[in-house]
Amino acid sequence: QQQVKQSPQSLIVQKGGISIINCAYENTAFDYFPWYQQFPGKGPALLIAIRPDVSEKKEGRFTISFNKSAKQFSLHIMDSQPGDSVTYFCAPRGYQKVTFGTGTKLQVIP
Amino acid sequence: DAGVIQSPRHEVTEMGQEVTLRCKPISGHDYLFWYRQTMMRGLELLIYFNNNVPIDDSGMPEDRFSAKMPNASFSTLKIQPSEPRDSAVYFCASSFFINEQFFGPGTRLTVL
Repeated sequence: QQQVKQSPQSLIVQKGGISIINCAYENTAFDYFPWYQQFPGKGPALLIAIRPDVSEKKEGRFTISFNKSAKQFSLHIMDSQPGDSVTYFCAPRGYQKVTFGTGTKLQVIP
Repeated sequence: DAGVIQSPRHEVTEMGQEVTLRCKPISGHDYLFWYRQTMMRGLELLIYFNNNVPIDDSGMPEDRFSAKMPNASFSTLKIQPSEPRDSAVYFCASSFFINEQFFGPGTRLTVL
């Protein structure tokens, strides 16, 4: 597996605040940068993804920021809600290259 | 399409027994992945296939684990002999090329 460093491992955010999760990778051959969301008792499911030809993608309250030169991408959750309190994984991919981050457990408190 | 199908959903077995987990990927997908998830170790990629060929099995914990993909619509993960530390949720996922992975519901394995 190609090395990926996801941080933080856990995160506590106030309701309405911004949650930020980071993913740093080493392999420059990655060309698909997704974030997955996992609810308890379920498998991970795609939340949002970005290709390296753009630096940012927004879908509702969720935004991916991509920094190709720094080999990092991050997930921003705006107006965080208690329902966002699940685990998030980054999972960059390239041809014949697959990896999953170690996960970030988010807790949004009222 | 019904999504990725895994069976059984739950498996309870005794140490030393052989366990076989099954997966049917989404039709048309050319990648298939096996993952294991535990509280202690998180989500681990065990092995993945591209066009039925194993590409990377470096995540397979030891020789007791083996995986096969005899055709594009079926894969198995076998543990022989099973041990209590193999207790985990095992996920199968599939994707088309370098795109979204679709995960199955998982098999919860308990080895007594």
